[in-house]
Amino acid sequence: AQSVAQPEDQVNVAEGNPLTVKCTYSVSGNPYLFWYVQYPNRGLQFLLKYITGDNLVKGSYGFEAEFNKSQTSFHLKKPSALVSDSALYFCAGLGRNYGQNFVFGPGTRLSVLP
Amino acid sequence: DTGVSQDPRHKITKRGQNVTFRCDPISEHNRLYWYRQTLGQGPEFLTYFQNEAQLEKSRLLSDRFSAERPKGSFSTLEIQRTEQGDSAMYLCASSPWTSAKDEQFFGPGTRLTVL
Repeated sequence: AQSVAQPEDQVNVAEGNPLTVKCTYSVSGNPYLFWYVQYPNRGLQFLLKYITGDNLVKGSYGFEAEFNKSQTSFHLKKPSALVSDSALYFCAGLGRNYGQNFVFGPGTRLSVLP
Repeated sequence: DTGVSQDPRHKITKRGQNVTFRCDPISEHNRLYWYRQTLGQGPEFLTYFQNEAQLEKSRLLSDRFSAERPKGSFSTLEIQRTEQGDSAMYLCASSPWTSAKDEQFFGPGTRLTVL
């Protein structure tokens, strides 16, 4: 079975500081990995994805994520956090032999403090 | 707004009643997905359509659940004989591409409360 874990329910960071939201996965083979963000009363929005190739993936709003196969991780990062980054972040994975059965992590609430 | 829309946004029903939700994807998007999300959890995949064909269903989708996309445009998700455990946010997403590795565009969801 495939699974995605986000070990932190909540991450607090001061505005201007770097942020990291952690994600680990258990997906057979080489996975597809995604990050989505959910703002209040809005649908989930795509941030970035890893399919193949360069392990460092750059996405929307200055976010990036690094695929680490040995640690089975796909942590989301941003060099300088903004208050407007405060939201719920979901990591998702898909094994290449699992059809369309995307697996989402439970989410991490990011609070950026002014 | 040309994003994915869902109707209704909220639904309160009594146990045993049937409910139907509608999803209107972004125009000309081939793929349409349904997910269920409960409090404190990420979305759980239920099913997806490629145009009008329902190509995959999760084991979460019991016999009481049925989804259709009759003309390859909007989709409906019906839950028969609702149970309190069906209370959740039901999310719809669409994608213009034909591969699992492409991003999905999510609607705002329909929140179902079963009393």
